[in-house]
Amino acid sequence: AQRVTQPEKLLSVFKGAPVELKCNYSYSGSPELFWYVQYSRQRLQLLLRHISRESIKGFTADLNKGETSFHLKKPFAQEEDSAMYYCALRGNTPLVFGKGTRLSVIA
Amino acid sequence: NAGVMQNPRHLVRRRGQEARLRCSPVKGHSHVYWYRQLPEEGLKFMVYLQKENIIDESGMPKERFSAEFPKEGPSILRIQQVVRGDSAAYFCASSPPGQAGLAFFGQGTRLTVV
Repeated sequence: AQRVTQPEKLLSVFKGAPVELKCNYSYSGSPELFWYVQYSRQRLQLLLRHISRESIKGFTADLNKGETSFHLKKPFAQEEDSAMYYCALRGNTPLVFGKGTRLSVIA
Repeated sequence: NAGVMQNPRHLVRRRGQEARLRCSPVKGHSHVYWYRQLPEEGLKFMVYLQKENIIDESGMPKERFSAEFPKEGPSILRIQQVVRGDSAAYFCASSPPGQAGLAFFGQGTRLTVV
């Protein structure tokens, strides 16, 4: 079975502080991992995917197969980062999403 | 290049009526997915379709729910004899061939059953 766990429903940080949004997954094969983001009044959109190993808007995420994690990190949070973040996994079925973490960046 | 278009954005139905939700994928995308989001829950996969084929409907309730993606026209998610528990946001996504993880989402249809 494929499962994605995001343990934090809400994460509040001050502007300029580091951010880490946690994501753990369960899948017996080799998964593809993604982070999707939904800004206020906008549709859900892809933020980054582990296979591209890129930094988008200052965010990075490293797939740790030993810990089955794919945490999203940013060294210095900005107010415009406030949004709902979803971790997603694709194994042998279409994308499976976690319940999401709401990030609130406080000025 | 329009994104995924869903309509209506809001739909109110009385118990026992039928709800029809429409989704037009990104031009050139042949894969469509439907997800349901209940309050305080994440996105739950319902069904995966390609043109004229249902590929995976493992997340779809066995009764009252059906989906199609005809050769021409939008994908339709149909819910017959709606009940209060069907009230949710329904999201459609599409992806290009061979890139099922690269999903482009619509803005969703919020169904309210009264």
